[in-house]
Amino acid sequence: NAGVTQTPKFQVLKTGQSMTLQCAQDMNHNSMYWYRQDPGMGLRLIYYSASEGTTDKGEVPNGYNVSRLNKREFSLRLESAAPSQTSVYFCASSEMGFNQPQHFGDGTRLSIL
Amino acid sequence: KQEVTQIPAALSVPEGENLVLNCSFTDSAIYNLQWFRQDPGKGLTSLLLIQSSQREQTSGRLNASLDKSSGRSTLYIAASQPGDSATYLCAVNSGNTPLVFGKGTRLSVIA
Repeated sequence: NAGVTQTPKFQVLKTGQSMTLQCAQDMNHNSMYWYRQDPGMGLRLIYYSASEGTTDKGEVPNGYNVSRLNKREFSLRLESAAPSQTSVYFCASSEMGFNQPQHFGDGTRLSIL
Repeated sequence: KQEVTQIPAALSVPEGENLVLNCSFTDSAIYNLQWFRQDPGKGLTSLLLIQSSQREQTSGRLNASLDKSSGRSTLYIAASQPGDSATYLCAVNSGNTPLVFGKGTRLSVIA
């Protein structure tokens, strides 16, 4: 009964380092999403994948790249981390598109020094 | 551009009280509205989803209502318990476009 699983749960990086956040869902959902959550800003969409093989930019895509590896997995990559990317990152999935309920992982807490 | 507002930002109530959380949105042309719960250090858990054609949805002690014309939704929690303490977020979907989230109401239920 895992739902949406994100790894790692916590990470500290230095400015300029790169890393990939992993996300996997076991609900056979077609659509997957990456959000960031910052105090006072609410949740903002970074990238999404409506279905396997497609990805699209959300509200705040700059500094990030994504890969929809297969139907289950959707990764988020920071190529050159910046302090402004310190945040909590959430992955979510839905059966098909934004109209369906979204199911969230527990998040990755990322600090960039 | 759709904007979603949740007032108050924080609320503290004694156990057993019935309470209402508010969500307002600026564009009434919505497809559905979703209420989430977020516990500290955790992700969001979907509580209720109301389609634009519906007036309300119920799940246990929770009741969500929707008034599209006035751009408002409320989440009613009956007989509140300490375990209800969390942040509650609403999110609006205006068709097959990204959800727009409010910033949430942080609820504390005091035993």
